[in-house]
Amino acid sequence: DARVTQTPRHKVTEMGQEVTMRCQPILGHNTVFWYRQTMMQGLELLAYFRNRAPLDDSGMPKDRFSAEMPDATLATLKIQPSEPRDSAVYFCASGLGGERTGTGELFFGEGSRLTVL
Amino acid sequence: GDSVTQMEGPVTLSEEACLTINCTYTATGYPSLFWYVQYPGEGLQLLLKATKADDKGSNKGFEATYRKETTSFHLEKGSVQVSDSAVYFCALSWANYGGSQGNLIFGKGTKLSVKP
Repeated sequence: DARVTQTPRHKVTEMGQEVTMRCQPILGHNTVFWYRQTMMQGLELLAYFRNRAPLDDSGMPKDRFSAEMPDATLATLKIQPSEPRDSAVYFCASGLGGERTGTGELFFGEGSRLTVL
Repeated sequence: GDSVTQMEGPVTLSEEACLTINCTYTATGYPSLFWYVQYPGEGLQLLLKATKADDKGSNKGFEATYRKETTSFHLEKGSVQVSDSAVYFCALSWANYGGSQGNLIFGKGTKLSVKP
């Protein structure tokens, strides 16, 4: 049963600490997304990659957030330094997208709930 | 730019009531349209989709028809159950085209609560 795996599921940290969230996309998927969900803002796109290349990270605060795909089986989202306003659930999603081959469907992980005190 | 607008929630219904959640979109051309559902404590999962005008997506008793004349994709179910309580997201995508497309554009979500 293919699924997107995210770690950690829950993280509580103090302001100023570095936080790294990891995602293992579904094997064979070439597009990976990072979303942030809060009660106030709903779902926000932070960044996404196709074939490991970043396509759009305009939704991400560049001074403290960074997203990478070291290889096709791992995507990371790092916050340094973290702030209380970063408290949210962070979702990774993967899919198959591209010229005339994409389906548009995304498969979401269960999310990483971050609390910054 | 492209956008999705769906009705504000929360929506509270009694079991076996009829459900309609409105969704309209703004886009140049004809994107693919989706409904995703998020159960408490979980990630989003695809509920149904339609890739061209007049297509009807259906799953688990839910239906939505792609109406290009009204740029709408309303979600309907004839008889809801307590287990349908969740947040429902309407979305559009251009994933079948090249370039940087492939992103899903989501509406803000509509929370549905079904009471026994």
